[in-house]
Amino acid sequence: SQQGEEDPQALSIQEGENATMNCSYKTSINNLQWYRQNSGRGLVHLILIRSNEREKHSGRLRVTLDTSKKSSSLLITASRAADTASYFCATGYNQGGKLIFGQGTELSVKP
Amino acid sequence: DGGITQSPKYLFRKEGQNVTLSCEQNLNHDAMYWYRQDPGQGLRLIYYSQIVNDFQKGDIAEGYSVSREKKESFPLTVTSAQKNPTAFYLCASTPGQGASQPQHFGDGTRLSIL
Repeated sequence: SQQGEEDPQALSIQEGENATMNCSYKTSINNLQWYRQNSGRGLVHLILIRSNEREKHSGRLRVTLDTSKKSSSLLITASRAADTASYFCATGYNQGGKLIFGQGTELSVKP
Repeated sequence: DGGITQSPKYLFRKEGQNVTLSCEQNLNHDAMYWYRQDPGQGLRLIYYSQIVNDFQKGDIAEGYSVSREKKESFPLTVTSAQKNPTAFYLCASTPGQGASQPQHFGDGTRLSIL
């Protein structure tokens, strides 16, 4: 069963604005990952944050993890039209090699 | 360049037919995964393999079969028992076992029913 739930399902912003996507999950995790998917393509890994970390940065991306609230957020700063894509969170556990993916947030950045 | 190659990009299945989707990687990764993605949905795990000659069922394995005879190859067969096969199928790999590593994805195969 899918554990990650993302919100919003769709987000439309203007170029230059910041975009924030949220992910919630139900049970304790080992790590949480964010992926990007352009239309009709495979997923591309963006960032991995471990359960003992609270925040990570990569370029214009900032990810936070709050294990007490079982939630994570992905912030994309100064968005560009090329950031238009679907974004997925995925949770990993201590046992087994599986990731559980959320249903994604569809981001549209208008020029 | 290292990566994952999925073929074909588009595939059509007739009623009662089995079809096989190819997934090849030259990343020397141990683990490989097959996912199904329906429109507007996230990914659901069909099968995964953490080592050659071994594989495990994921959440939606019914109607699918796999083999892992070589490290670089993990083909997926969609059997006639899968009554709703229309979807986007994605293959992925990781260097080792466990869920603590980023997954590398191919560009998918879109399967439709004729």
